[in-house]
Amino acid sequence: VQLVESGGGVVQPGGSLRLSCAASGFNFNSFGVDWVRQAPGKGLEWLAFFGTDRTYDYYADSAKGRLTISRDNSKNTVYLQMNSLRVEDTAVYYCVAGKDHAFIHWGQGTLVTVSS
Amino acid sequence: QTVVTQEPSFSVSPGGTVTLTCGLSSGSVSSTHYPSWYQHTAGQAPRTLMYTTNSRSSGVPERFSGSILGNKAALTITGAQADDESDYYCVLYMGGGIWVFGGGTKLTVL
Repeated sequence: VQLVESGGGVVQPGGSLRLSCAASGFNFNSFGVDWVRQAPGKGLEWLAFFGTDRTYDYYADSAKGRLTISRDNSKNTVYLQMNSLRVEDTAVYYCVAGKDHAFIHWGQGTLVTVSS
Repeated sequence: QTVVTQEPSFSVSPGGTVTLTCGLSSGSVSSTHYPSWYQHTAGQAPRTLMYTTNSRSSGVPERFSGSILGNKAALTITGAQADDESDYYCVLYMGGGIWVFGGGTKLTVL
């Protein structure tokens, strides 16, 4: 089982970034997908969820309006489009595959640094 | 806004038993919050320990157990080992597709 995030890096405040997460080794299509982040020195924060059938998504208040989660089941990939980035969005971003109300498989994370 | 509460830190002796808790700033935790627990060491992917209160994730030793104790969810580690020293996070389902993590507990084994 693998979830491999990519797309992190350094971006200026107000900029955009799209994170990707490629899944392998399990039936990706049967899992919901989430993004969770950890800012430096802080705890884990749930950001967004996308269901298996691509008909519904949910967001934390901190993510609404700026972050958009999506998935491409044909590519076993989940995405996080991040716009209007702020310094406080600096964090390690993890993608997670879950089912039955549990976060089951975690990626290693990708670091996003928002700085001028 | 409801806050999920955890002890900031806890200490346990090797071989000892420790219970970490996960509560709500307002109200009680129940099974309908589907509490789950994660072990996280810096630089690594979080590890799923328990889900839906007391279901143990694949490969997790039986010395980890989950429950509802009073008005909180609980993670009990029996026979603590040195490599249990880590950060532990709970997360609760708030309804409407929304999950909220607790602030985490830093567990020291000494």
